[in-house]
Amino acid sequence: QQQVKQSPQSLIVQKGGISIINCAYENTAFDYFPWYQQFPGKGPALLIAIRPDVSEKKEGRFTISFNKSAKQFSLHIMDSQPGDSATYFCAARTSGSRLTFGEGTQLTVNP
Amino acid sequence: DTGVSQNPRHKITKRGQNVTFRCDPISEHNRLYWYRQTLGQGPEFLTYFQNEAQLEKSRLLSDRFSAERPKGSFSTLEIQRTEQGDSAMYLCASGVTGISYEQYFGPGTRLTVT
Repeated sequence: QQQVKQSPQSLIVQKGGISIINCAYENTAFDYFPWYQQFPGKGPALLIAIRPDVSEKKEGRFTISFNKSAKQFSLHIMDSQPGDSATYFCAARTSGSRLTFGEGTQLTVNP
Repeated sequence: DTGVSQNPRHKITKRGQNVTFRCDPISEHNRLYWYRQTLGQGPEFLTYFQNEAQLEKSRLLSDRFSAERPKGSFSTLEIQRTEQGDSAMYLCASGVTGISYEQYFGPGTRLTVT
């Protein structure tokens, strides 16, 4: 059972553009929503995270928008750079602290 | 490097053999997690420890899988009688008990079962 649905599966953006990745969840017991960035052959790296009592969180070029009523959250990457080309995963924390991950979005930023 | 380390980075084994992976968490992190990631998918939770206690196991963790964290520091994940379906990246993450429960991942061990 997929509890966190992520879209799109792949995304191509021009340098300087905005990359937007969306996630939707079903379990209202989730209480922590991180985003991870993963390069080929590497482990996921924590990028930014949000708790459901906050509607937006910004760190540098990365912003999470959170809509609790719609059970959706999204990652915005401003001024996208070729070095941002990677696979991005949203996740949600369930009871006991396990993370449930989305399917991933492969982002390509063209120069 | 003070991040999570995993060894070996790559392991090729024949079906039916046993394999063991090691994870060294970030110093002072009392929580340690194991995940499995197959190609093109997000990581799937296997199990986690708080100090030396194994607090949760996924149904994905069959009887052939066992994990230990004997002294609350490093952890080992053993797979007995490996099957081709076990081929995956095995990821370890560590964190600290607290409000955010942030998890920091290691580079993973890539297992190939032939």
